[in-house]
Amino acid sequence: DTGVSQNPRHKITKRGQNVTFRCDPISEHNRLYWYRQTLGQGPEFLTYFQNEAQLEKSRLLSDRFSAERPKGSFSTLEIQRTEQGDSAMYLCASNWSGSLRSEAFFGQGTRLTVV
Amino acid sequence: GDSVTQMEGPVTLSEEAFLTINCTYTATGYPSLFWYVQYPGEGLQLLLKATKADDKGSNKGFEATYRKETTSFHLEKGSVQVSDSAVYFCALSHPNTGNQFYFGTGTSLTVIP
Repeated sequence: DTGVSQNPRHKITKRGQNVTFRCDPISEHNRLYWYRQTLGQGPEFLTYFQNEAQLEKSRLLSDRFSAERPKGSFSTLEIQRTEQGDSAMYLCASNWSGSLRSEAFFGQGTRLTVV
Repeated sequence: GDSVTQMEGPVTLSEEAFLTINCTYTATGYPSLFWYVQYPGEGLQLLLKATKADDKGSNKGFEATYRKETTSFHLEKGSVQVSDSAVYFCALSHPNTGNQFYFGTGTSLTVIP
């Protein structure tokens, strides 16, 4: 297993367009997290899944954001009607719920630039 | 709610200098504490962790001790190298809050030869 994989690595889009990112977690991990990181800041929690259930969403996740994990494996994060303020690094992480105090394993992120 | 406060940077040190990056947290009960490192152009990597009070996490010459009495998890290294130049993030997670991870703002470290 090669770790958490995110695609694409970079995305440039025009304001108002929709974008979708994909995350493939480590195969035996049932928890999957999405974070957003802006320049000079730490990652901010957006949402997380346990298996296919979305268990928590941050207030940062506006109505324009939607995340899915349909079969409890990969996940997608869609941003509709992008705004310049959405420009950030979007990070995905995973771990196993059976280990209560496990660290999260992060992907390399998708850098979104809205022009 | 749970939160992490981290020493602001940037920090610039000469090679072989002693490093301390301060981290304090706010949480109920006993969270798990982590240091992550982000090298230029790369993703977040776990550096070390501690899951209960008085535990010491260590890796690659870095150490941090979980201090419940001072709600702190300061990162230390006795002799830094140029290759340690990176951004360091303190983080916590707590089973009572769904195990989501709360991060500090990060401390940028540059080590000069």
